[in-house]
Amino acid sequence: RKEVEQDPGPFNVPEGATVAFNCTYSNSASQSFFWYRQDCRKEPKLLMSVYSSGNEDGRFTAQLNRASQYISLLIRDSKLSDSATYLCVVNINNNNDMRFGAGTRLTVKP
Amino acid sequence: DGGITQSPKYLFRKEGQNVTLSCEQNLNHDAMYWYRQDPGQGLRLIYYSQIVNDFQKGDIAEGYSVSREKKESFPLTVTSAQKNPTAFYLCASSISRSLSTDTQYFGPGTRLTVL
Repeated sequence: RKEVEQDPGPFNVPEGATVAFNCTYSNSASQSFFWYRQDCRKEPKLLMSVYSSGNEDGRFTAQLNRASQYISLLIRDSKLSDSATYLCVVNINNNNDMRFGAGTRLTVKP
Repeated sequence: DGGITQSPKYLFRKEGQNVTLSCEQNLNHDAMYWYRQDPGQGLRLIYYSQIVNDFQKGDIAEGYSVSREKKESFPLTVTSAQKNPTAFYLCASSISRSLSTDTQYFGPGTRLTVL
């Protein structure tokens, strides 16, 4: 089983739709979790950290389910500019040892 | 403007040659990292450094070498021993490697193609 798994997509959604991605991780001792966004042929950029209680930043909501070992990202009212690949990142110990998912590709269409 | 720079953006190299990728940061971060990204795969850690004059192997260090003579700089050499060097190489830094909540910031990447 991969350490971090994501559905590669692509998710093709119309503008204004709500879309959700999940990401599962294998190491139950994982300490912290992040969502990064990566545009085509660019570097990943931090979208948001994922806190135990769940957190929201504008149209984006991240949640953590430790019992089932997955994190989720919900995008509401999707915009054309949300089109990107979303990387799930899990820190598996206390030494900033990041494990990256392969990413979920999202395309928002007019 | 603080950030991480990588050069060159695109690099072509003949098989059998060594090549060095540059990574510089002016964020005053202690920790620096090198990853490679291949199509359809997550980023994989090549080397990391927590402090000047110290570095550690990541998951796929074979065929690569690094140095950390200055805090700001962490160059990566892709040697001829690396069997599949064509990839997108990303350098990152964080304030410290010892804090699990530290965010890693990425440079713009170098796309290496071996001809």
